[in-house]
Amino acid sequence: GAVVSQHPSRVICKSGTSVKIECRSLDFQATTMFWYRQFPKQSLMLMATSNEGSKATYEQGVEKDKFLINHASLTLSTLTVTSAHPEDSSFYICSATSPVSGGVKETQYFGPGTRLLVL
Amino acid sequence: LAKTTQPISMDSYEGQEVNITCSHNNIATNDYITWYQQFPSQGPRFIIQGYKTKVTNEVASLFIPADRKSSTLSLPRVSLSDTAVYYCLVGYSNYQLIWGAGTKLIIKP
Repeated sequence: GAVVSQHPSRVICKSGTSVKIECRSLDFQATTMFWYRQFPKQSLMLMATSNEGSKATYEQGVEKDKFLINHASLTLSTLTVTSAHPEDSSFYICSATSPVSGGVKETQYFGPGTRLLVL
Repeated sequence: LAKTTQPISMDSYEGQEVNITCSHNNIATNDYITWYQQFPSQGPRFIIQGYKTKVTNEVASLFIPADRKSSTLSLPRVSLSDTAVYYCLVGYSNYQLIWGAGTKLIIKP
């Protein structure tokens, strides 16, 4: 149980284009989803927290107009990188929290990640 | 300022027990500690979570002393496939999540 998928797993795009990444919780309803970015050999960097039906909360330094997050349902959140540039190339990972998981509180279940390369 | 600190790297050998410690000085009563494992180009995978004393599951144990200012992830009898980066995450009651920088664990034959 508690499976999270991401699509696409890998994307290459030209500078200036927009890229949408989907995050789905497959077997549970996720009231909260998180979006992270990870550069090579570095730790996870939280970009934003997304609650279903409300606006995402962005971390300091993350441009909300550049990284558009939509959490329209309890099983789907999307991250759109608008007008992507080479410096946006990174590994983007989403996670979702399951309210009930064997008594464990607020465990984040992660998707497999999306590798974005902007040329 | 809340901070989660863990060693940058560790080495060990197959069959050994590995202990990775995480420091979290500002932890409060209702804050919880979670450990994740990450392989290259994959999303992190949940290992274990706890609040106090000791928690054990089929893959690891988590030891949390009485003052809760640190916690130790214990991996019994590691194998080569346990080579990965291990992250400590502290979830604070004000909904703040503080990740450690990760510990790169290398298991040698």
